[in-house]
Amino acid sequence: DTEVTQTPKHLVMGMTNKKSLKCEQHMGHRAMYWYKQKAKKPPELMFVYSYEKLSINESVPSRFSPECPNSSLLNLHLHALQPEDSALYLCASSPPGGGQETQYFGPGTRLLVL
Amino acid sequence: QQQVKQSPQSLIVQKGGISIINCAYENTAFDYFPWYQQFPGKGPALLIAIRPDVSEKKEGRFTISFNKSAKQFSLHIMDSQPGDSATYFCAGPTFTGTASKLTFGTGTRLQVTL
Repeated sequence: DTEVTQTPKHLVMGMTNKKSLKCEQHMGHRAMYWYKQKAKKPPELMFVYSYEKLSINESVPSRFSPECPNSSLLNLHLHALQPEDSALYLCASSPPGGGQETQYFGPGTRLLVL
Repeated sequence: QQQVKQSPQSLIVQKGGISIINCAYENTAFDYFPWYQQFPGKGPALLIAIRPDVSEKKEGRFTISFNKSAKQFSLHIMDSQPGDSATYFCAGPTFTGTASKLTFGTGTRLQVTL
């Protein structure tokens, strides 16, 4: 299994809603990532988890709350988002080692905040 | 600070032609240079990557050329096909010991016409 899966594929939410994005991989990877990608732009790193611990937070607003319940799962909890948060949210994972490991990306969740 | 500069922003190539995309980097800590391919509605996927101890790597129709002294690397797509139409990102990873942090170039939208 060389796949990163993300659910849901699409999400529409109001600014007062609470929702969660889910990411799953079964490749034994111990690093998992959340990226945000706006249209016609490159992915921007949001968070990195390494061995289920948050290792990088790229100064992301607290309305985004990541969680890594186990080595296969990564969640992104969303609360009180703004319309400018509408984007494609990508999850990725990479194998352990800290060397030249490839990041494997999921298909993303397309989020629209109304 | 933009650490990876990519050009051109968009590219139109006839079927059978050669597509060339260039990247220049500033961070000498990068020691692995991947190219990602992204189709609309999909996550980026690793296309080809090169280590700085070689000057060229070829995989099928895709070739990376690397110039360490100039801090530049490029992607050549030979015999370009309509199925190659996608957005291409170069990237520079920095490693934290157990995870990597990808800095993407701005992206090149390639369109291969019949």
